[in-house]
Amino acid sequence: QSVLTQPPSASGTPGQRVTISCSGSSSNIGSNYVYWYQQLPGTAPKLLIYRNNQRPSGVPDRFSGSKSGTSASLAISGLRSEDEADYYCAAWDDSLSGRVVFGGGTKLTVL
Amino acid sequence: EVQLVESGGGLVQPGRSLRLSCAASGFTFDDYAMHWVRQAPGKGLEWVSGISWNSGSIGYADSVKGRFTISRDNAKNSLYLQMNSLRAEDTALYYCAKAMGLDYGDPSSGFDYWGQGTLVTVSS
Repeated sequence: QSVLTQPPSASGTPGQRVTISCSGSSSNIGSNYVYWYQQLPGTAPKLLIYRNNQRPSGVPDRFSGSKSGTSASLAISGLRSEDEADYYCAAWDDSLSGRVVFGGGTKLTVL
Repeated sequence: EVQLVESGGGLVQPGRSLRLSCAASGFTFDDYAMHWVRQAPGKGLEWVSGISWNSGSIGYADSVKGRFTISRDNAKNSLYLQMNSLRAEDTALYYCAKAMGLDYGDPSSGFDYWGQGTLVTVSS
């Protein structure tokens, strides 16, 4: 059971806009930044969004992040076949002695 | 170009030990915290441990606390994970990840680069 809650799957057709949610609590998302990682099949995770809504250089502006209270969302507009991947949210958690927590991941299928 | 290359994985019996290494290049290693993140077969990502730039601050997931030890050698641009008393549930692909800041516990610091991982299989 992951500390952050994501839907296990999401889907969309090319060109559509899809959103993936990530729900946490006051000790993680509620008080710290959210990060999003993309994991293409058979590859290592890649940083997609940092500090809630910032894109690293090279990440297309089709990807955007937002946060409100104890929840966050990743939006992908103009969906492409190459966006088919697993997406993970993450945040620092202030509980116990402090730790990084991940969501369980959302498998995005481009129909 | 930032490169992180993990090594040291393999098949090990329950209760035995293994030491993972991560060789870093393409950035000033001692300017950043480093982490280990694992992924069990077909499962999601799980943070394992992190270490600050000067080894002054270290953290572990509850699942490995007391069994795993993270360390780094800045002179060798290398990160390590000593894994003792291994269990079947430790079976996973172990990734080395570079943080965006100095301190492992910095909430404003995500993981901007990842290695390709080294597979650890714990089985008799």
